[in-house]
Amino acid sequence: GNSVTQMEGPVTLSEEAFLTINCTYTATGYPSLFWYVQYPGEGLQLLLKATKADDKGSNKGFEATYRKETTSFHLEKGSVQVSDSAVYFCARMNNAGNMLTFGGGTRLMVKP
Amino acid sequence: EAGVAQSPRYKIIEKRQSVAFWCNPISGHATLYWYQQILGQGPKLLIQFQNNGVVDDSQLPKDRFSAERLKGVDSTLKIQPAKLEDSAVYLCASSPGLASHEQFFGPGTRLTVL
Repeated sequence: GNSVTQMEGPVTLSEEAFLTINCTYTATGYPSLFWYVQYPGEGLQLLLKATKADDKGSNKGFEATYRKETTSFHLEKGSVQVSDSAVYFCARMNNAGNMLTFGGGTRLMVKP
Repeated sequence: EAGVAQSPRYKIIEKRQSVAFWCNPISGHATLYWYQQILGQGPKLLIQFQNNGVVDDSQLPKDRFSAERLKGVDSTLKIQPAKLEDSAVYLCASSPGLASHEQFFGPGTRLTVL
């Protein structure tokens, strides 16, 4: 079935550090892949997405590249800020394009 | 553009009581989703509507959960009777259509069952 696995948190970084949050997915076809972010007290927000192999999604300094060969969609940011502290969810869409499956979430804490 | 609205934001009930959550999707969005997010986990889809019809409810515990979207706009999710393990955040999301590949989420309702 469809599944998404992401690294467990919390991830604690100092401001301006480099961030990587790993995400892998089961490969049945070529699903669209997403990163959602959940700030404290708020709902899920789409951060970025990629719809086909080798696509790079990017937003707010975050990037993730759709790697078909490794079935991965790792999230990266070159220099994190305190305001990036949130929970990040990797997700895949099913082939019909109507059902999202989420990973368990990774909490990021950025200290000044 | 107004986002997905949900109410209430918080609800505390005792086990075996009933509770209902309300969702108003983004105007014009045909597809509506209810998710359950247990603390420390990712959201899990409970039910999906396309207009006023159910597309998928395979993960909805139908012995105690029910949902409706009678006029194809807003939706209610009900739990009757509640169990301790129902404590979670209930998220509503909407999208323009079935294969739109992007869902927009509301702020959620945090349910605590004592």
